[in-house]
Amino acid sequence: DAGVIQSPRHEVTEMGQEVTLRCKPISGHDYLFWYRQTMMRGLELLIYFNNNVPIDDSGMPEDRFSAKMPNASFSTLKIQPSEPRDSAVYFCASSLQGYQPQHFGDGTRLSIL
Amino acid sequence: AQSVSQHNHHVILSEAASLELGCNYSYGGTVNLFWYVQYPGQHLQLLLKYFSGDPLVKGIKGFEAEFIKSKFSFNLRKPSVQWSDTAEYFCAVGPRGGADGLTFGKGTHLIIQP
Repeated sequence: DAGVIQSPRHEVTEMGQEVTLRCKPISGHDYLFWYRQTMMRGLELLIYFNNNVPIDDSGMPEDRFSAKMPNASFSTLKIQPSEPRDSAVYFCASSLQGYQPQHFGDGTRLSIL
Repeated sequence: AQSVSQHNHHVILSEAASLELGCNYSYGGTVNLFWYVQYPGQHLQLLLKYFSGDPLVKGIKGFEAEFIKSKFSFNLRKPSVQWSDTAEYFCAVGPRGGADGLTFGKGTHLIIQP
């Protein structure tokens, strides 16, 4: 079975540029989560969707961050404009039910110069 | 607000040593509990989970964890570690039957020396 697929695996860009991270959840999973992992703050939940609808975006750090899920098989996380402090590994995860174990993608390692 | 505390940020053990990683949580309700492992350069993988029933749960690769409700703890154990267990270990908590995302601890970096 295909797991959660994220792209790109690595992204290096300059401050001020728009960054788009992509995620394809496991087919049939109703929940999709975006996390950010840094050395300082560990793993933080940014936002999650249920049936393509954003449920809780209280973890999104600033208005520069936005996430969409136009259909059940695709989600994007955008940062515009990007800043060096956004450098982190961004993980997408999906689950069948909200309380069930989450399956994580390989992550996108983002570096903002 | 919910929180998860992992007692040790770094643990170094020799092969065949016994392992116990501490995890305590603060949550206003009944919970589901998880341990995830992240091998170097890889994504998080589920080690084991507790939803209800027997508080001693067994996971993959010889790991087990015990839920002690009175102590709000969910410690991870393994009787004899291997070099391949070198990884980052995350404890996580989520609401029982709820839909919120998980709250993760900061992680414990485990290094096993051959």
